[in-house]
Amino acid sequence: DTEVTQTPKHLVMGMTNKKSLKCEQHMGHRAMYWYKQKAKKPPELMFVYSYEKLSINESVPSRFSPECPNSSLLNLHLHALQPEDSALYLCASSRPGAAGETQYFGPGTRLLVL
Amino acid sequence: AQKVTQAQTEISVVEKEDVTLDCVYETRDTTYYLFWYKQPPSGELVFLIRRNSFDEQNEISGRYSWNFQKSTSSFNFTITASQVVDSAVYFCALSEANRRTYKYIFGTGTRLKVLA
Repeated sequence: DTEVTQTPKHLVMGMTNKKSLKCEQHMGHRAMYWYKQKAKKPPELMFVYSYEKLSINESVPSRFSPECPNSSLLNLHLHALQPEDSALYLCASSRPGAAGETQYFGPGTRLLVL
Repeated sequence: AQKVTQAQTEISVVEKEDVTLDCVYETRDTTYYLFWYKQPPSGELVFLIRRNSFDEQNEISGRYSWNFQKSTSSFNFTITASQVVDSAVYFCALSEANRRTYKYIFGTGTRLKVLA
């Protein structure tokens, strides 16, 4: 079963709000990813967790705070976002290890920041 | 430098036509992986195929086929007898195994519209 789930599907938040995006997989994958995708653009990598430890942070602003509480769950905490942060946020997972592993994506959360 | 080019921004075809989506990549590594993903309007990226640099065999899966040619650094994707459900954005991606990174280098995507 190659399924990654994400909640919520849609989120509208004000610039002073705090919210969280949630991602879950039960494929036994030990690498999990957050991507941001603007309209008509490819996904951009934000964070990578490997064995529940943050291994890559692509210079993402601190208003985005990732968390990996266990091997199946990945959260993205949002605080004081800007309207330009409105985008589709995609979670993915893969087997860990060297590059080249297939990443399986969730359906995404469409975020609108007002 | 690593780069993936999908020169076709948007393609429109009539149902049952065949269509080929082009992907040209650049890498200095000898070991690398190429991927195709489909992104329907719902947003999820659906994995279609993974190919490593040592396997130049073409692959066919139902109406889908892929042509990998290292000589021209291309990994093209053909849909035979297209259907309306094939309408989506298709991304080609490169992953370089020697860089110890999980990063995909995505192309800019090709939007395919299949008209009934």
